[in-house]
Amino acid sequence: AQSVTQLDSQVPVFEEAPVELRCNYSSSVSVYLFWYVQYPNQGLQLLLKYLSGSTLVKGINGFEAEFNKSQTSFHLRKPSVHISDTAEYFCAVSDRGSTLGRLYFGRGTQLTVWP
Amino acid sequence: GAVVSQHPSRVICKSGTSVKIECRSLDFQATTMFWYRQFPKQSLMLMATSNEGSKATYEQGVEKDKFLINHASLTLSTLTVTSAHPEDSSFYICSARRSGRAWDEQFFGPGTRLTVL
Repeated sequence: AQSVTQLDSQVPVFEEAPVELRCNYSSSVSVYLFWYVQYPNQGLQLLLKYLSGSTLVKGINGFEAEFNKSQTSFHLRKPSVHISDTAEYFCAVSDRGSTLGRLYFGRGTQLTVWP
Repeated sequence: GAVVSQHPSRVICKSGTSVKIECRSLDFQATTMFWYRQFPKQSLMLMATSNEGSKATYEQGVEKDKFLINHASLTLSTLTVTSAHPEDSSFYICSARRSGRAWDEQFFGPGTRLTVL
């Protein structure tokens, strides 16, 4: 079974500051890792995903995440945030060995960017 | 881009009635569709996975007879909450995936808010 822990439920930051949203996972099998963003009244959108290869993954809107196998983490970072980055961010895992590709989500982190 | 719609966006019903929620992939064919449930301030909980033309695979603890899923075509899946009760009130979200590959992106609908009185 897989589980995902997002350590911060809310992260407030000022515009142009760097931000890190933390994600740790627990799994007995190898996983794929994802970050999704949900803007108000919209469906979740994929920010980035880690499948294999380089542990540093770059996504849309200037976000990146680093897979750390030893720490079972997949933290999301952005060097300089904008007000438009205000949204809910979800970390998710998927079992590599499963053909269904089911996603298991963390509780989400509300990022609020202040001017 | 790939767009997934849900209808209705909000529904209020009386206890004991059944409610049907539609999920459509508007500009692509979806081999696989997923249904999630989200409680306030909590994560999305996967309810079931469905492939077109076959029976849905339900997650442990999800009642198959209560949450009926039909994936009748490559662009439409429906979730019917039968004999709804107040505890079924929640935010239901669907997603769709083009291929059968596990790592392919899921495209999410905007969700349906169900309130059972």
